Amino acid sequence: AQKVTQAQTEISVVEKEDVTLDCVYETRDTTYYLFWYKQPPSGELVFLIRRNSFDEQNEISGRYSWNFQKSTSSFNFTITASQVVDSAVYFCALSEARGGKLIFGQGTELSVKP
Amino acid sequence: KAGVTQTPRYLIKTRGQQVTLSCSPISGHRSVSWYQQTPGQGLQFLFEYFSETQRNKGNFPGRFSGRQFSNSRSEMNVSTLELGDSALYLCASRLTSPEETQYFGPGTRLLVL
Repeated sequence: AQKVTQAQTEISVVEKEDVTLDCVYETRDTTYYLFWYKQPPSGELVFLIRRNSFDEQNEISGRYSWNFQKSTSSFNFTITASQVVDSAVYFCALSEARGGKLIFGQGTELSVKP
Repeated sequence: KAGVTQTPRYLIKTRGQQVTLSCSPISGHRSVSWYQQTPGQGLQFLFEYFSETQRNKGNFPGRFSGRQFSNSRSEMNVSTLELGDSALYLCASRLTSPEETQYFGPGTRLLVL
């Protein structure tokens, strides 16, 4: 069965600190897709990144970076020099090639204090 | 390009009533999925519609149903509401294929009293 685990329920940091959000997944599929979404207090899920199972290349986008390691079934998300606007709940999600429904982790609530 | 829109944004109902939520996908997107978000269960997949047909379904009772129109707009209906149906209902759209990225709307917050 597919499963996504975000062990960190809440993280609190001070502005300008770096923070890493952990995500571990389980799947028996050889082709799958991983995602990170951000949910601000308004409720909308904002898409951040997508990774295909056959592409382990890490990615950097501004202050955001993602580390995908198939060997440990992890897809971690790092925010460098965090800002107050980064405060939100972050969700990691998995979908299989067939079906395509998203399986979400429980989310990590990030609080960045000034 | 406009994002996914959902109406209404907030809704209060009483137990036993039924409710219909609406979702308009991003222009050109033909697949619409619905998710329920509660504090206890997190984000759970309800169903997906593509070309007016249900393509995938989650583990929810038959009180939860949906449909899609020829313009790709979708509605979901919950009949005989229960207190536990109080949740944020999120709609997501994507172009066509299951492997494509889903983009979410702002959600409808349903409170059942």
